[in-house]
Amino acid sequence: AQTVTQSQPEMSVQEAETVTLSCTYDTSENNYYLFWYKQPPSRQMILVIRQEAYKQQNATENRFSVNFQKAAKSFSLKISDSQLGDTAMYFCAVLFGNEKLTFGTGTRLTIIP
Amino acid sequence: DAGVTQSPTHLIKTRGQQVTLRCSPKSGHDTVSWYQQALGQGPQFIFQYYEEEERQRGNFPDRFSGHQFPNYSSELNVNALLLGDSALYLCASSLGQNGYTFGSGTRLTVV
Repeated sequence: AQTVTQSQPEMSVQEAETVTLSCTYDTSENNYYLFWYKQPPSRQMILVIRQEAYKQQNATENRFSVNFQKAAKSFSLKISDSQLGDTAMYFCAVLFGNEKLTFGTGTRLTIIP
Repeated sequence: DAGVTQSPTHLIKTRGQQVTLRCSPKSGHDTVSWYQQALGQGPQFIFQYYEEEERQRGNFPDRFSGHQFPNYSSELNVNALLLGDSALYLCASSLGQNGYTFGSGTRLTVV
């Protein structure tokens, strides 16, 4: 079975600090894509960052970066210089070869002023 | 460039009724996937449509059915509604494996 696990239901951090959200997954496939999505109270799922499993270089997108450890099947998201607007639910998701995007259960992140 | 549009945004139905939710994909996208997101949970895959056919399906009963039209828009139908069907229903469109673009969802409440 292809599963995605987020073990941190809730996290909070002071504004301007750095926070890391964890994600692990399980698959026997070798080629897949990994994503972090942000879901604010507006409900829309917004793509934060994307990583191809065949690339060794970790993806970065402004204040957002990932630590992708393929052998460990780990895909964590680091948010630097956190801002109040980063407060949201964050979902890790993996697009396996069958092209079905599978989500974790989410981490509720709160940025404290 | 319009993103994914879903309608309606909210609706309330009575147990046993039927409901139809609609989705217009992002311009240029040819694949539509539907997800059910219960409160406090991650989205669960319902099914995916490509070239007007159901390409794959998640672990949902036959009460959940769908359709894709030639213009790539899609509908999700749920028959014989149960209280447990209350959730946010998300539509996502995609083209290849570049990632999915999501709509804002339809909040369905079954009473």
